[in-house]
Amino acid sequence: AQSVTQLGSHVSVSEGALVLLRCNYSSSVPPYLFWYVQYPNQGLQLLLKYTTGATLVKGINGFEAEFKKSETSFHLTKPSAHMSDAAEYFCAVSGRGKLIFGQGTELSVKP
Amino acid sequence: GAVVSQHPSRVICKSGTSVKIECRSLDFQATTMFWYRQFPKKSLMLMATSNEGSKATYEQGVEKDKFLINHASLTLSTLTVTSAHPEDSSFYICSARDRWGGDEQFFGPGTRLTVL
Repeated sequence: AQSVTQLGSHVSVSEGALVLLRCNYSSSVPPYLFWYVQYPNQGLQLLLKYTTGATLVKGINGFEAEFKKSETSFHLTKPSAHMSDAAEYFCAVSGRGKLIFGQGTELSVKP
Repeated sequence: GAVVSQHPSRVICKSGTSVKIECRSLDFQATTMFWYRQFPKKSLMLMATSNEGSKATYEQGVEKDKFLINHASLTLSTLTVTSAHPEDSSFYICSARDRWGGDEQFFGPGTRLTVL
């Protein structure tokens, strides 16, 4: 069975600072991993995904994530936070055709 | 490409009435669509998997008679909340998987249901 744990339900950074959102997964098979962003009262937008191949994945809006099998992690990073990055972020793993989501991390960006 | 729409975006209804929410894939064919429910400040809970031309598969604990799902075409799935009650108030999100596109799901903008 697959599962996802996001460490920290809320992360606050200053504008221009590094963003690091943590995600650990559990999977009995090679995982497909995803990061989604959700703005208030909207659906989810895919930031990036890992399926196979290169373990460092680049996504939209300057985000990237690195798949580390030994650590069962898929942390999301962005070198410099922007005010528009304030949103809810979900890590997900694909299992049996379904997406299993983490609990979500709310990112706040202070001016 | 890969746009999913939902209608309505927001609905308010009286307790005891039924509400239908539509989910459409606008520029691709989706043999599989998913319905999620999201409570405030919470993650997405998968309610059911909808397969075109067949019965939906419901997750454990989801009442199939209360949340009726129909997937009559490759671009449309509907969720009907029957005899809605205030506890059914929530944000409902659908997603669709391109029949040719692998594991990625494309999400609709969500429907905010408020039952008075």
